[in-house]
Amino acid sequence: AQSVTQPDIHITVSEGASLELRCNYSYGATPYLFWYVQSPGQGLQLLLKYFSGDTLVQGIKGFEAEFKRSQSSFNLRKPSVHWSDAAEYFCAVLSGYALNFGKGTSLLVTP
Amino acid sequence: GAVVSQHPSWVICKSGTSVKIECRSLDFQATTMFWYRQFPKQSLMLMATSNEGSKATYEQGVEKDKFLINHASLTLSTLTVTSAHPEDSSFYICSAPLGGRSEQYFGPGTRLTVT
Repeated sequence: AQSVTQPDIHITVSEGASLELRCNYSYGATPYLFWYVQSPGQGLQLLLKYFSGDTLVQGIKGFEAEFKRSQSSFNLRKPSVHWSDAAEYFCAVLSGYALNFGKGTSLLVTP
Repeated sequence: GAVVSQHPSWVICKSGTSVKIECRSLDFQATTMFWYRQFPKQSLMLMATSNEGSKATYEQGVEKDKFLINHASLTLSTLTVTSAHPEDSSFYICSAPLGGRSEQYFGPGTRLTVT
């Protein structure tokens, strides 16, 4: 089954600094990839998705992600982080009709 | 966008009792819905796939007799945790795909605490 790995459990960045969250996938063909954000005690909100086409994907809240087949990666980026971005971020891959999630990266934003 | 609701948003029950959680697609029909479980500070794990008009498909290691799933209509799936125990305490989230496989919409989740 398709799977994703998020190598970083926690990341701390200063407000206004840039952010990159890593996600690696394992799948031979082109995967359907997603990034979700979850605030404490809340459900999931879709930030962006990649199915095909342009490898740089724009999402909501100023996030973007780049699909790199050569590196089997789909890293999430934001040029300037806001304190409200502190949350849990999940990378996911479509496997059949359901989603397989990575273990998540917890983002802490410091003043 | 499509909306998926869950009810209740949180529930506390005593050990040995059963709890039903509802998942509804409010503005679209879903022949398939998914149930996930999320333990504190962990990722979401797929528990089962709910299919309208047929039996649910459970992931390996998930007890089908303990987690009863009924997909009664094109907009409603229910998850019943039977004879709940404290180790069943978790965050349960459902999702439903829209437009084939490409879009999935998640409910806000149900926090279950078994005392």
